[in-house]
Amino acid sequence: GQQLNQSPQSMFIQEGEDVSMNCTSSSIFNTWLWYKQDPGEGPVLLIALYKAGELTSNGRLTAQFGITRKDSFLNISASIPSDVGIYFCAGQLRNSGNTPLVFGKGTRLSVIA
Amino acid sequence: EPEVTQTPSHQVTQMGQEVILRCVPISNHLYFYWYRQILGQKVEFLVSFYNNEISEKSEIFDDQFSVERPDGSNFTLKIRSTKLEDSAMYFCASRDRGLETQYFGPGTRLLVL
Repeated sequence: GQQLNQSPQSMFIQEGEDVSMNCTSSSIFNTWLWYKQDPGEGPVLLIALYKAGELTSNGRLTAQFGITRKDSFLNISASIPSDVGIYFCAGQLRNSGNTPLVFGKGTRLSVIA
Repeated sequence: EPEVTQTPSHQVTQMGQEVILRCVPISNHLYFYWYRQILGQKVEFLVSFYNNEISEKSEIFDDQFSVERPDGSNFTLKIRSTKLEDSAMYFCASRDRGLETQYFGPGTRLLVL
Protein backbone atom coordinates (compact mmCIF):
# COMPACT_ATOMS: atom_id res chain seq x y z
CA GLY A 1 0.00 0.00 0.00
CA GLN A 2 0.88 3.67 -0.10
CA GLN A 3 3.37 4.86 2.49
CA LEU A 4 3.72 8.15 4.26
CA ASN A 5 7.09 8.67 5.90
CA GLN A 6 6.64 10.80 8.98
CA SER A 7 9.52 12.21 11.00
CA PRO A 8 10.72 12.52 13.58
CA GLN A 9 9.30 9.49 15.31
CA SER A 10 9.47 11.22 18.69
CA MET A 11 10.55 14.54 20.15
CA PHE A 12 11.35 15.78 23.62
CA ILE A 13 11.30 19.56 23.89
CA GLN A 14 11.24 22.26 26.53
CA GLU A 15 8.08 24.25 27.08
CA GLY A 16 8.19 27.37 24.93
CA GLU A 17 10.23 25.82 22.14
CA ASP A 18 9.04 25.57 18.57
CA VAL A 19 8.43 22.17 16.98
CA SER A 20 8.56 21.01 13.39
CA MET A 21 7.53 17.66 11.93
CA ASN A 22 6.98 16.52 8.39
CA CYS A 23 5.63 13.84 6.11
CA THR A 24 6.87 12.76 2.72
CA SER A 25 5.70 10.29 0.15
CA SER A 26 6.68 9.00 -3.26
CA SER A 27 3.04 9.47 -4.32
CA ILE A 28 1.16 12.64 -5.11
CA PHE A 29 -1.59 13.49 -2.63
CA ASN A 30 -4.58 15.74 -3.26
CA THR A 31 -5.31 16.44 0.38
CA TRP A 32 -3.13 16.56 3.48
CA LEU A 33 -4.58 16.48 6.97
CA TRP A 34 -2.87 16.77 10.34
CA TYR A 35 -4.42 15.10 13.38
CA LYS A 36 -3.51 14.96 17.07
CA GLN A 37 -4.26 11.89 19.15
CA ASP A 38 -4.28 11.78 22.93
CA PRO A 39 -3.91 8.40 24.69
CA GLY A 40 -7.05 6.27 24.34
CA GLU A 41 -8.81 8.82 22.17
CA GLY A 42 -9.60 9.27 18.51
CA PRO A 43 -7.61 11.50 16.14
CA VAL A 44 -8.68 15.13 16.34
CA LEU A 45 -8.33 17.22 13.22
CA LEU A 46 -5.89 20.12 13.53
CA ILE A 47 -5.41 21.44 10.00
CA ALA A 48 -6.65 20.46 6.54
CA LEU A 49 -4.75 21.38 3.35
CA TYR A 50 -6.34 21.12 -0.08
CA LYS A 51 -4.02 22.92 -2.53
CA ALA A 52 -0.36 22.58 -3.39
CA GLY A 53 1.61 25.37 -1.76
CA GLU A 54 -1.18 26.17 0.69
CA LEU A 55 -0.02 27.48 4.05
CA THR A 56 -2.61 27.39 6.80
CA SER A 57 -2.51 28.38 10.45
CA ASN A 58 -4.64 27.37 13.40
CA GLY A 59 -3.52 29.31 16.47
CA ARG A 60 0.04 28.28 17.23
CA LEU A 61 -0.05 25.59 14.53
CA THR A 62 1.03 26.15 10.95
CA ALA A 63 1.01 23.57 8.20
CA GLN A 64 1.95 23.64 4.54
CA PHE A 65 1.05 21.50 1.56
CA GLY A 66 4.25 21.01 -0.43
CA ILE A 67 4.45 22.33 -3.98
CA THR A 68 5.25 18.87 -5.32
CA ARG A 69 2.16 17.50 -3.48
CA LYS A 70 4.38 14.80 -2.02
CA ASP A 71 5.06 16.36 1.36
CA SER A 72 3.71 18.48 4.17
CA PHE A 73 5.02 19.94 7.39
CA LEU A 74 3.46 20.97 10.67
CA ASN A 75 4.99 23.59 12.96
CA ILE A 76 3.97 24.29 16.53
CA SER A 77 5.21 27.53 18.00
CA ALA A 78 5.82 28.23 21.68
CA SER A 79 4.89 24.73 22.85
CA ILE A 80 2.90 24.21 26.03
CA PRO A 81 2.37 21.06 28.14
CA SER A 82 -1.04 20.32 26.57
CA ASP A 83 0.67 19.93 23.19
CA VAL A 84 1.80 16.51 24.39
CA GLY A 85 0.42 13.71 22.22
CA ILE A 86 0.91 11.90 18.96
CA TYR A 87 0.64 13.91 15.76
CA PHE A 88 -0.34 12.11 12.58
CA CYS A 89 -0.22 13.29 9.02
CA ALA A 90 -2.79 11.76 6.70
CA GLY A 91 -3.09 12.04 2.96
CA GLN A 92 -5.73 11.38 0.38
CA LEU A 93 -4.55 10.18 -3.00
CA ARG A 94 -7.46 11.42 -5.07
CA ASN A 95 -10.57 13.51 -4.61
CA SER A 96 -13.04 11.24 -6.32
CA GLY A 97 -15.28 8.75 -4.64
CA ASN A 98 -14.90 7.71 -1.05
CA THR A 99 -11.14 7.83 -0.89
CA PRO A 100 -9.64 6.55 2.35
CA LEU A 101 -6.92 8.33 4.28
CA VAL A 102 -3.38 6.99 4.42
CA PHE A 103 -1.75 7.74 7.75
CA GLY A 104 1.84 8.29 8.75
CA LYS A 105 3.24 6.44 11.74
CA GLY A 106 3.01 9.49 13.96
CA THR A 107 5.31 11.83 15.85
CA ARG A 108 5.16 11.44 19.62
CA LEU A 109 5.68 14.84 21.23
CA SER A 110 6.73 15.24 24.84
CA VAL A 111 6.95 18.70 26.39
CA ILE A 112 9.07 19.23 29.47
CA ALA A 113 7.81 22.04 31.69
CA GLU B 1 -20.15 21.20 17.85
CA PRO B 2 -21.39 18.02 16.14
CA GLU B 3 -19.23 14.97 16.67
CA VAL B 4 -18.96 11.32 15.79
CA THR B 5 -19.90 9.03 18.67
CA GLN B 6 -19.05 5.36 19.17
CA THR B 7 -20.25 2.62 21.48
CA PRO B 8 -19.10 0.76 23.40
CA SER B 9 -15.92 2.52 24.47
CA HIS B 10 -14.41 -0.84 25.47
CA GLN B 11 -15.28 -4.40 24.52
CA VAL B 12 -13.71 -7.61 25.76
CA THR B 13 -14.64 -10.80 23.96
CA GLN B 14 -13.57 -14.40 23.60
CA MET B 15 -11.88 -15.57 20.42
CA GLY B 16 -14.46 -16.83 17.95
CA GLN B 17 -17.26 -14.64 19.25
CA GLU B 18 -19.09 -12.07 17.17
CA VAL B 19 -18.85 -8.38 18.02
CA ILE B 20 -20.74 -5.39 16.71
CA LEU B 21 -19.22 -1.95 17.03
CA ARG B 22 -21.56 0.98 16.70
CA CYS B 23 -21.08 4.48 15.40
CA VAL B 24 -23.30 7.50 15.01
CA PRO B 25 -21.73 9.73 12.34
CA ILE B 26 -22.24 13.49 12.21
CA SER B 27 -25.85 13.92 11.18
CA ASN B 28 -25.55 15.56 7.75
CA HIS B 29 -22.52 13.56 6.64
CA LEU B 30 -22.81 11.16 3.75
CA TYR B 31 -19.51 9.27 3.68
CA PHE B 32 -18.55 6.83 6.40
CA TYR B 33 -15.40 4.96 7.26
CA TRP B 34 -13.97 2.42 9.66
CA TYR B 35 -10.30 2.44 10.60
CA ARG B 36 -8.36 0.46 13.16
CA GLN B 37 -5.23 1.11 15.15
CA ILE B 38 -3.27 -1.70 16.73
CA LEU B 39 -1.63 -0.57 19.97
CA GLY B 40 1.35 1.66 19.25
CA GLN B 41 0.90 1.59 15.50
CA LYS B 42 -0.54 3.85 12.85
CA VAL B 43 -4.18 4.16 11.90
CA GLU B 44 -5.16 1.78 9.08
CA PHE B 45 -8.11 1.99 6.72
CA LEU B 46 -10.66 -0.82 6.77
CA VAL B 47 -13.66 0.21 4.70
CA SER B 48 -15.55 3.17 3.27
CA PHE B 49 -19.30 3.36 2.76
CA TYR B 50 -21.54 5.64 0.74
CA ASN B 51 -25.10 5.45 -0.51
CA ASN B 52 -25.74 2.23 1.37
CA GLU B 53 -22.88 0.32 -0.13
CA ILE B 54 -19.21 -0.30 0.35
CA SER B 55 -17.05 2.04 -1.76
CA GLU B 56 -13.63 0.65 -0.97
CA LYS B 57 -12.14 -1.88 1.39
CA SER B 58 -8.63 -2.80 2.38
CA GLU B 59 -7.11 -6.26 2.47
CA ILE B 60 -7.67 -6.26 6.24
CA PHE B 61 -11.43 -6.18 5.62
CA ASP B 62 -11.92 -9.87 4.84
CA ASP B 63 -15.04 -12.03 4.90
CA GLN B 64 -15.17 -11.89 8.69
CA PHE B 65 -15.99 -8.18 8.55
CA SER B 66 -19.20 -6.52 7.47
CA VAL B 67 -20.71 -3.06 7.72
CA GLU B 68 -24.25 -1.90 7.82
CA ARG B 69 -26.27 1.28 8.09
CA PRO B 70 -29.42 -0.19 9.65
CA ASP B 71 -31.22 3.14 10.02
CA GLY B 72 -30.70 6.82 9.31
CA SER B 73 -28.22 7.38 12.09
CA ASN B 74 -26.21 4.27 12.98
CA PHE B 75 -23.27 2.75 11.15
CA THR B 76 -22.03 -0.60 12.42
CA LEU B 77 -18.99 -2.81 11.99
CA LYS B 78 -19.46 -6.51 12.65
CA ILE B 79 -16.69 -9.03 13.14
CA ARG B 80 -18.23 -12.49 12.84
CA SER B 81 -15.61 -14.66 14.49
CA THR B 82 -13.01 -12.62 16.29
CA LYS B 83 -9.32 -13.53 16.30
CA LEU B 84 -6.64 -12.50 18.74
CA GLU B 85 -5.13 -10.20 16.13
CA ASP B 86 -8.39 -8.26 15.87
CA SER B 87 -7.52 -6.62 19.19
CA ALA B 88 -7.18 -2.91 18.39
CA MET B 89 -8.84 0.47 18.64
CA TYR B 90 -11.56 0.79 16.00
CA PHE B 91 -12.39 4.27 14.80
CA CYS B 92 -15.40 5.40 12.86
CA ALA B 93 -15.11 8.54 10.73
CA SER B 94 -17.47 10.56 8.59
CA ARG B 95 -17.32 13.43 6.17
CA ASP B 96 -19.63 15.77 4.37
CA ARG B 97 -20.15 15.95 0.63
CA GLY B 98 -17.61 18.12 -1.18
CA LEU B 99 -15.11 18.33 1.66
CA GLU B 100 -12.35 15.77 2.06
CA THR B 101 -11.99 16.28 5.80
CA GLN B 102 -12.83 13.20 7.81
CA TYR B 103 -13.89 13.52 11.44
CA PHE B 104 -13.11 10.68 13.80
CA GLY B 105 -14.99 9.23 16.73
CA PRO B 106 -13.35 8.46 20.08
CA GLY B 107 -12.92 4.80 19.21
CA THR B 108 -13.84 1.41 20.61
CA ARG B 109 -11.05 -0.53 22.25
CA LEU B 110 -11.56 -4.20 21.38
CA LEU B 111 -9.70 -6.88 23.28
CA VAL B 112 -9.96 -10.47 22.09
CA LEU B 113 -8.91 -13.10 24.60
